[in-house]
Amino acid sequence: GQNIDQPTEMTATEGAIVQINCTYQTSGFNGLFWYQQHAGEAPTFLSYNVLDGLEEKGRFSSFLSRSKGYSYLLLKELQMKDSASYLCAVVDSNYQLIWGAGTKLIIKP
Amino acid sequence: IAGITQAPTSQILAAGRRMTLRCTQDMRHNAMYWYRQDLGLGLRLIHYSNTAGTTGKGEVPDGYSVSRANTDDFPLTLASAVPSQTSVYFCASSSSGGGTDTQYFGPGTRLTVL
Repeated sequence: GQNIDQPTEMTATEGAIVQINCTYQTSGFNGLFWYQQHAGEAPTFLSYNVLDGLEEKGRFSSFLSRSKGYSYLLLKELQMKDSASYLCAVVDSNYQLIWGAGTKLIIKP
Repeated sequence: IAGITQAPTSQILAAGRRMTLRCTQDMRHNAMYWYRQDLGLGLRLIHYSNTAGTTGKGEVPDGYSVSRANTDDFPLTLASAVPSQTSVYFCASSSSGGGTDTQYFGPGTRLTVL
C-alpha cells in the first residue's frame, strides 16, 4: 500500500529552527509537495520538489532524497504565525496526490 | 479575483437529507477536486474532474456525486447524508490534472450530519 509518515505534532521556540520530516512509500514518484494549513483555513502551497537536493525559499527550505523516500521542511527564524499544520503530499506513478496526515507545529514564545 | 469560493461555510444536516456543496473558481483552471479532511487523517480525494464534461472517482467516492457542466463550477452532492459524512470539505483546482500542478484550495465547508 501507499504510505506517508509525518510526526503528528512538534513544538519549537520562536526564533529557532525546526525540521519537519516526511517519509513515503508509494507506487512510483513524480514529485513531493509541502503545504501549510492554519487552523480552520485552507491548505496553501509552500514547495514542490522533484529532484534530489535542497530548495530554499526565504525562511523555508525543502529537501528531497528520492533514494531514501525522504523529505524535510526546514523553517528558520520561527515566528508565531508559523504555528500551523504542515502537509506532505507525494505524486504517485498515476499522477495522483497521496497526502500525509500532517504535522501540527506549535510555536512557543 | 476571488480564486475559489465554496458555499455554504458550514451546515448542520439531518441524516437522510440531500445536500449540495457548491464550488466556483475564477482562475480558468481545467482540473478541480473535492477532498474531505478528518482529524488525524490526511486529505482524502472524493471526486475529481480533469476538464469540463469529465469526472472521476477518488479514494472515497461512495455516497457522493459530482458534475462538471462548465469550467468554473464543480458541485458535490450527498444524495442521502449519513453521520460518517461529517467532515470538512475542501474544493481545489489546478491548471491541469497532471498531478504535478499546484492545487489551490477553497476555504472549506464544515458539514455536520446528525
